[in-house]
Amino acid sequence: GAVVSQHPSWVICKSGTSVKIECRSLDFQATTMFWYRQFPKQSLMLMATSNEGSKATYEQGVEKDKFLINHASLTLSTLTVTSAHPEDSSFYICSARGTENEKLFFGSGTQLSVL
Amino acid sequence: TQLLEQSPQFLSIQEGENLTVYCNSSSVFSSLQWYRQEPGEGPVLLVTVVTGGEVKKLKRLTFQFGDARKDSSLHITAAQPGDTGLYLCAGEGGSGGSNYKLTFGKGTLLTVNP
Repeated sequence: GAVVSQHPSWVICKSGTSVKIECRSLDFQATTMFWYRQFPKQSLMLMATSNEGSKATYEQGVEKDKFLINHASLTLSTLTVTSAHPEDSSFYICSARGTENEKLFFGSGTQLSVL
Repeated sequence: TQLLEQSPQFLSIQEGENLTVYCNSSSVFSSLQWYRQEPGEGPVLLVTVVTGGEVKKLKRLTFQFGDARKDSSLHITAAQPGDTGLYLCAGEGGSGGSNYKLTFGKGTLLTVNP
């Protein structure tokens, strides 16, 4: 089946630094990728939707200048958490789909801890 | 804004018991999906229901989509410790949903004790 690879699995960084998370579709072309944030024992909250070659669409309350999303190719989307602070510590998950009627596949998530 | 109310939020049962998780909304969805997630991992799709009134079975798991496509349930028979995890329902499309993004319920954290 289709695989979405997310990297890194976990990252620890100092407050004020930036962190980049990659999401790759390994065996299909992902026209749309989604980025979610999840706090412990809670559900996934959609942060933004990115379509290849265009600007990401952010959900209400998500700062686009803080969470930079780039979807430059059909197999790669990146989320950069800029000037990270401890409150940004969370589990970040990406998902990807090909054509509109195809299933959605999730990455394995990235645990971000900001000290 | 489309909302999915999922209940119960937490459930702790003994091995062998049956349970049902509910997912309700005031909105109509074109499809509804159920996922299971383990700590530190991404959600894994269990099933997608599309047709109102549809019932799907996956071994000991039975999924039902309401006739009006606004609600769904997940029933687990003879639960086992391996069923422990976070169960998430997610609605796709429907009224106002033009970009096929998923709306997730808050999740049900299930613990099956041996």
